[in-house]
Amino acid sequence: NAGVTQTPKFRVLKTGQSMTLLCAQDMNHEYMYWYRQDPGMGLRLIHYSVGEGTTAKGEVPDGYNVSRLKKQNFLLGLESAAPSQTSVYFCASSFGRTGDIGELFFGEGSRLTVL
Amino acid sequence: KQEVTQIPAALSVPEGENLVLNCSFTDSAIYNLQWFRQDPGKGLTSLLLIQSSQREQTSGRLNASLDKSSGRSTLYIAASQPGDSATYLCAVRGLAGYSTLTFGKGTMLLVSP
Repeated sequence: NAGVTQTPKFRVLKTGQSMTLLCAQDMNHEYMYWYRQDPGMGLRLIHYSVGEGTTAKGEVPDGYNVSRLKKQNFLLGLESAAPSQTSVYFCASSFGRTGDIGELFFGEGSRLTVL
Repeated sequence: KQEVTQIPAALSVPEGENLVLNCSFTDSAIYNLQWFRQDPGKGLTSLLLIQSSQREQTSGRLNASLDKSSGRSTLYIAASQPGDSATYLCAVRGLAGYSTLTFGKGTMLLVSP
């Protein structure tokens, strides 16, 4: 059982380049999330989705876009990368429906460096 | 806005000690609280999930308690081992905006042989 899988695991970009991080989960979870983790800042929510075809902004959405075209996949896009987006990105998923939300499962992370 | 605080930020203990990690939150209207472990360079691993109606959860040497009224949770680790060395994070899922979690910044634990 793979759980939550993120690709790529490492990436180096130049300022202004674009890229997409892919998150895939095989647990049939409704809810999916993208976080970034920075030293001293903790985990901050970028965007999340409560179901296929839906997305919502989190705490730090600027400079990122997301899509949830299939239930098992949640894509995070950077249209024009900036050095401030250098971070470790984590995808997470959980079972969820009104009145019943399960525990959160995380991927291994994607380390992004923007030069 | 929910705020989650974890004290201490770092803790160093000798092997075999029982220890307590603390998590406090400002808004007691929570759906559940979850404890995670994070090893260096790795993702977060779920340890325990406590629903708002529960007082505690246990898994092996780990016991987590929840006191909603005082906005506190504790993670008790019995007979600590060097393999327990990691950063421990708590996260609170609120009722309002129930689909998102607020994380503490974690307690970095080092257990020495």
